[in-house]
Amino acid sequence: DQQVKQNSPSLSVQEGRISILNCDYTNSMFDYFLWYKKYPAEGPTFLISISSIKDKNEDGRFTVFLNKSAKHLSLHIVPSQPGDSAVYFCAASGVSSGNTGKLIFGQGTTLQVKP
Amino acid sequence: SAVISQKPSRDICQRGTSLTIQCQVDSQVTMMFWYRQQPGQSLTLIATANQGSEATYESGFVIDKFPISRPNLTFSTLTVSNMSPEDSSIYLCSVEVRAYEQYFGPGTRLTVT
Repeated sequence: DQQVKQNSPSLSVQEGRISILNCDYTNSMFDYFLWYKKYPAEGPTFLISISSIKDKNEDGRFTVFLNKSAKHLSLHIVPSQPGDSAVYFCAASGVSSGNTGKLIFGQGTTLQVKP
Repeated sequence: SAVISQKPSRDICQRGTSLTIQCQVDSQVTMMFWYRQQPGQSLTLIATANQGSEATYESGFVIDKFPISRPNLTFSTLTVSNMSPEDSSIYLCSVEVRAYEQYFGPGTRLTVT
């Protein structure tokens, strides 16, 4: 059972435009969500996170939105840059469900930003 | 943040052999994790390794196949035992820097022939 889903395997955007990456989850006990970026031959790099008590968190060009009723979160990158081209993973965690520290990852979305 | 290193970065091994992967952190951390990323797949947690206690394994992973050591607060090892081609994956360690937030090492790319 895939508890965290990224339904778009790939996304291509023009430099300077907005990139929107989406993620859906099924477990309502998740209370913390994270986005990671991964370049080939490197480990995932933490980008931004959001607690379930919030609906938005912003850090520079990156903003994460959380819609709890829809069990949906999205990552917005504005403006997109060619260096943002990577695989993006969303992940979820739920201490309240007993999964202390455990992250459950989506399948990843490959973002390509064209110059 | 934390600086995490892994050794080896990659290896090619024959089936039936074992490989031990090392993970070193530049600061003391309580919780360390080992993940696997099979080709074309997402990251899957193998086990949680806390210093001074037995590792906690996720469903589908057993200690005989993936023994883990955690001798101190900056170091851990994962052994992939009696390898088969299905074990070909990227193995990653991570540490919890603050509540819920994990930072990952660069990974070990393992190919089993």
